[in-house]
Amino acid sequence: QVQLQESGPGLVKSSETLSLTCTVSGGSISNYYWSWIRQPPGKGLEWIGYIYYSGSTNYNPSLKSRVTISVDTSKNQFSLKLSSVTAADTAVYYCARSPIISRLLFDYWGQGTLVTVSS
Amino acid sequence: DIQMTQSPSSLSASVGDRVTITCRASQGISNSLAWYQQKPGKAPKLLLYAAIKLESGVPSRFSGSGSGTDYTLTISSLQPEDFATYYCQQYYSTPNTFGQGTKLEIK
Repeated sequence: QVQLQESGPGLVKSSETLSLTCTVSGGSISNYYWSWIRQPPGKGLEWIGYIYYSGSTNYNPSLKSRVTISVDTSKNQFSLKLSSVTAADTAVYYCARSPIISRLLFDYWGQGTLVTVSS
Repeated sequence: DIQMTQSPSSLSASVGDRVTITCRASQGISNSLAWYQQKPGKAPKLLLYAAIKLESGVPSRFSGSGSGTDYTLTISSLQPEDFATYYCQQYYSTPNTFGQGTKLEIK
């Protein structure tokens, strides 16, 4: 059973860079697409971007200028960096896997981690 | 971006009821439509994809229908564990987008 676990600071200062890592266990990171999705408190879901195990990426245009997603296949991990954060970036951040049938569908999710941006 | 609009935003129902949630896309999405269930403090769970296909392990009381721009999720007989928030998602084009959610509450 594939499991995903997000890790990283729960508090980030405004204008700084948010950094999170997702560790995949119970399966290989190879041959799949992996995404970051976020959910502000009490609000809906927003896809941030995905990375293929080979390193190719695709980002949501609304965040593209501030987002970098990278992968480390040797550690079965992928990571998110979001620069110049503001209070609007306060959210629960999820990592998720896409099934073979579509890189934009999500069948396994991490439990999520709340990141709060403070001023 | 394709906009996804769900209705209703909230719904009160009783155990055993049949409920339907609707999702409308701002343009045709060729059945590239998924439904997720989210319980408080938990990650979303994939229920259906391709508008009508049940994800493995999901009870058969959940079903989906629709085409073009209009899709529905039906729960045939509500169980206590079904009270949650439901999201539709289009994965026809990037960026994939979600509906605003429908909160299903106990009457």
